[in-house]
Parts: sequence; C-alpha cells; structure tokens
Amino acid sequence: DTGVSQDPRHKITKRGQNVTFRCDPISEHNRLYWYRQTLGQGPEFLTYFQNEAQLEKSRLLSDRFSAERPKGSFSTLEIQRTEQGDSAMYLCASTRDSDLGTQYFGPGTRLLVL
Amino acid sequence: AQSVSQHNHHVILSEAASLELGCNYSYGGTVNLFWYVQYPGQHLQLLLKYFSGDPLVKGIKGFEAEFIKSKFSFNLRKPSVQWSDTAEYFCAVSNSGGYQKVTFGIGTKLQVIP
Repeated sequence: DTGVSQDPRHKITKRGQNVTFRCDPISEHNRLYWYRQTLGQGPEFLTYFQNEAQLEKSRLLSDRFSAERPKGSFSTLEIQRTEQGDSAMYLCASTRDSDLGTQYFGPGTRLLVL
Repeated sequence: AQSVSQHNHHVILSEAASLELGCNYSYGGTVNLFWYVQYPGQHLQLLLKYFSGDPLVKGIKGFEAEFIKSKFSFNLRKPSVQWSDTAEYFCAVSNSGGYQKVTFGIGTKLQVIP
C-alpha cells in the first residue's frame, strides 16, 4: 500500500530563498489538499485541487505561495522569498470522490527558515 | 466559517484509566466529524469519523466518539487506555458537501504513564 509521499522531509533555507515541496498522492485520488501546521497548532488548510484544477485557496496563502498540480497527479508547493514566519510543517493529503471526507495524510515537509 | 475547539491541550493518565477528550465545533450546516491521531514520529491518521446515522461511532483501537448535535460536540472516549495510546489527538470538521476541506482543532497531547 503506497500512501501519500512528500519530498523532501526536511528543508532548511535562508530567509529570502525560494523553496519547492512535492507531494505524490495515493494513485487514483483525484482530490489533493495542502495544509500547514505550526508548533502547538492543528493543521490549517492552505489549498485544494480537484484533478488539476485549484479550486480553493486560503487567505493564509499569500502571493509568495503558489501551488500546482499540472497533470492531476503530483503537486508542488512553492514559497518564494521565504520568511522566518514560513517555518512550519507542510502537510499534503489526498482522497477520492468515493471516499469523501476521509483524507489520507503524508508525513509532511518540515521547513526551517533561518 | 467553521471552527473546532478542543478543551484539553495536555492530558496525563495512568494505564487502564478512562479517557474522554472534549471537542466542540461551530458550523452552520451539515458537517462531517473526525478524530485524527498522530503517534510520535508518525503522520496523521484517521481514528474515526461521523458522517450520518448512529451518533455513536466506533473507531480503531477501542476508541469511540459520540456526536451530540444539540451540543455541537463530538467527544472521544476510551474505557481503558494503554501506554501505546500516547499520541496527539485532533478533532476535525468538514462541510458535508463541496470541497470538504478539513478544519482542525488545536490538538490534545495524551501521555499515558505505565
């Protein structure tokens, strides 16, 4: 059983640099979500894809953040000009129409901005 | 907008003690309710969920939760905890239609002492 995978698992970068994270959902899952989790908080919704279409974006997603899912399979989340406040765990989850509501989470990418 | 409130942020119990974690949600429409668990070093996984029907739902590892609509609550229970239940527990809610983005509570860290 291949679950949701994320790469890299850890990323340390300097303020002002760009970073890109990748998420590979469970195959045949058409819905993909990105969340962000900071210390002491639960995950917060960032954005949602249905197939390749990005259908919803949170206000948390500033214009420095962009997400894509070009072929409706894997997704990337890019943060430009990183700030220390971007330090967090970035989680990806996927599901399919027949399994609505049950999201399967990946291990996350932990970002530290110095 | 939907929101989730978890009453206890840190709970310490001895093995065999009973557990009840409180969760209240705020949302104007029909909701799906979840409890997710994150064991140390592992990623988020679904413990149990409520979509409709019997308000008492049973999940994995002997956990159960009761949906009380009039109180907007979805408390998690287990009659006898084990050391292996040490984890962080997140209550979550999603709208039953649409994009089904999940709103999480802040989480409750449960520590079970042998």
